[in-house]
Amino acid sequence: GENVEQHPSTLSVQEGDSAVIKCTYSDSASNYFPWYKQELGKRPQLIIDIRSNVGEKKDQRIAVTLNKTAKHFSLHITETQPEDSAVYFCAATAGTYKYIFGTGTRLKVLA
Amino acid sequence: GAGVSQSPSNKVTEKGKDVELRCDPISGHTALYWYRQSLGQGLEFLIYFQGNSAPDKSGLPSDRFSAERTGGSVSTLTIQRTQQEDSAVYLCASSLFGPSDTQYFGPGTRLTVL
Repeated sequence: GENVEQHPSTLSVQEGDSAVIKCTYSDSASNYFPWYKQELGKRPQLIIDIRSNVGEKKDQRIAVTLNKTAKHFSLHITETQPEDSAVYFCAATAGTYKYIFGTGTRLKVLA
Repeated sequence: GAGVSQSPSNKVTEKGKDVELRCDPISGHTALYWYRQSLGQGLEFLIYFQGNSAPDKSGLPSDRFSAERTGGSVSTLTIQRTQQEDSAVYLCASSLFGPSDTQYFGPGTRLTVL
């Protein structure tokens, strides 16, 4: 069945450094790839998304890249800050009706 | 406008009891999703409603789980004969049309089965 793999499961970076989280997906028909940030005890919130007709999208310190041939997409956070500490989930559309979420990456930004 | 709301925020129940969890999606959103998130884990898809179409129930873990959506708006997730392994946060999300639109999540219901 459809699957989304996410790596790494945990990531620690020094404040000001960059963080990269990678996901691969299995459904070649997937056409929408959102990234969600979930702070402790809070609901997941969309931080950036990309559609299959675009290779890269940037929003201030956050960027997402998509390689449809290789079926992988990545989240890049530059100049990390302590408030970036959270769990990040990637997702890919699967079939007609739903997303499949990755297993999450716990990012810790060390001050 | 108002976001997705869920009630109750917390529910503690005894093993074997039935529970109902409620979700109010964003007004005008035709798609509604239920997910389960166990402690420190990812988001497990449970069920998807799109307009008046038959729901995609492929993620429901057992026949003790059911959900309905009345009038294309409010949804209720029912868990019968709860088990301890049902303890988790149950998240509802809605989107404007379907999975290629942004999903907006509710605050979740934390279910604890004793």
